[in-house]
Amino acid sequence: GAVVSQHPSWVICKSGTSVKIECRSLDFQATTMFWYRQFPKQSLMLMATSNEGSKATYEQGVEKDKFLINHASLTLSTLTVTSAHPEDSSFYICSVNPYEQYFGPGTRLTVT
Amino acid sequence: AQSVAQPEDQVNVAEGNPLTVKCTYSVSGNPYLFWYVQYPNRGLQFLLKYITGDNLVKGSYGFEAEFNKSQTSFHLKKPSALVSDSALYFCAVRDDRGFKTIFGAGTRLFVKA
Repeated sequence: GAVVSQHPSWVICKSGTSVKIECRSLDFQATTMFWYRQFPKQSLMLMATSNEGSKATYEQGVEKDKFLINHASLTLSTLTVTSAHPEDSSFYICSVNPYEQYFGPGTRLTVT
Repeated sequence: AQSVAQPEDQVNVAEGNPLTVKCTYSVSGNPYLFWYVQYPNRGLQFLLKYITGDNLVKGSYGFEAEFNKSQTSFHLKKPSALVSDSALYFCAVRDDRGFKTIFGAGTRLFVKA
């Protein structure tokens, strides 16, 4: 299966700052990548579908101006959490392949 | 609308015994069904999928799942559980008309030695 990396694996930031999370598909050219959010002891919530060369598709209830997604190449998608607040603290996971998905290891964001 | 239900938050099994993790689904079109496993401090790993064909699907680590269209179920099974199978298991579904995959709430499996 595809190998997906995420960077950073863990980040702490202060409230009001922005944080960028990178998702890289190391051996798979991904025209589409998916961003999920996972709360403790809960399931994955699809936030948005990242489309290479075009705008991301956001799920209902996800603020597109807060969670900026850029998919500049077939191997890289980035999620920027702007003006982060403590309630944005979560585990963010990306994946590739619309069929059986291959997930990155996740990024734990803590906003203080 | 798509939905997935995993009715059990937790399943406890003794090592060597068979295990079943339940999943039911609802989709508009034909279902694509998946099971994923998440080990502590690690990402989700793909276990198996059903797209079409045989109702019994075999996957990684000795797991299998049975697709039952009439009961809209896709239960995960393993004949003999290992302590190392202890993890969080997610059932997921999408229909054949889109890319969006919906995940169940997850079932935590504890296998006791």
